[in-house]
Amino acid sequence: SQQGEEDPQALSIQEGENATMNCSYKTSINNLQWYRQNSGRGLVHLILIRSNEREKHSGRLRVTLDTSKKSSSLLITASRAADTASYFCATLLSGGYNKLIFGAGTRLAVHP
Amino acid sequence: SQTIHQWPATLVQPVGSPLSLECTVEGTSNPNLYWYRQAAGRGLQLLFYSVGIGQISSEVPQNLSASRPQDRQFILSSKKLLLSDSGFYLCAWSPSPNTEAFFGQGTRLTVV
Repeated sequence: SQQGEEDPQALSIQEGENATMNCSYKTSINNLQWYRQNSGRGLVHLILIRSNEREKHSGRLRVTLDTSKKSSSLLITASRAADTASYFCATLLSGGYNKLIFGAGTRLAVHP
Repeated sequence: SQTIHQWPATLVQPVGSPLSLECTVEGTSNPNLYWYRQAAGRGLQLLFYSVGIGQISSEVPQNLSASRPQDRQFILSSKKLLLSDSGFYLCAWSPSPNTEAFFGQGTRLTVV
């Protein structure tokens, strides 16, 4: 079953612009993670934010988490053509479950 | 350092044939292991996860099964493939439930 839902499904921007992707989820979580997937490849972990954290930064990435709204956002600043990929949020459910559940993803296209 | 190996990269199998996909992890012990399936342009569907040898949790009842005969080996199997089993299969591991997951490069399975 899908726990997370990303929004938008697809995003097309120009190099240098910022890209914002949103993720909503349904049940209580231990942490929320963002991953990137280049076409036809495995996923690469970008950033993990724990349920007691509200914001986290890593290079050009900024992630926020609002547990009251059960939502998260990923901001990529000053995007580059190389950022073109699909981005997924994944939630680790709380309650002792070791299940990492992924959303449907956002396809980001950054045009030179 | 830890590495994950998943093979084969591509596979074309006739309907009704058996399946065995293997995933091994090196450089760590007692990893959490995951099998996911991804339909074209879609998110990842969790199929199985394992927290230890012989401990397999199934998320999706279907004609697939998983086994963990050794600590760092995770096998996805089917006795008789269906057309609907086609997809991109990804194996992943994590050191513990509260950490990031590392993905293999995936197996693209086409059932004909």
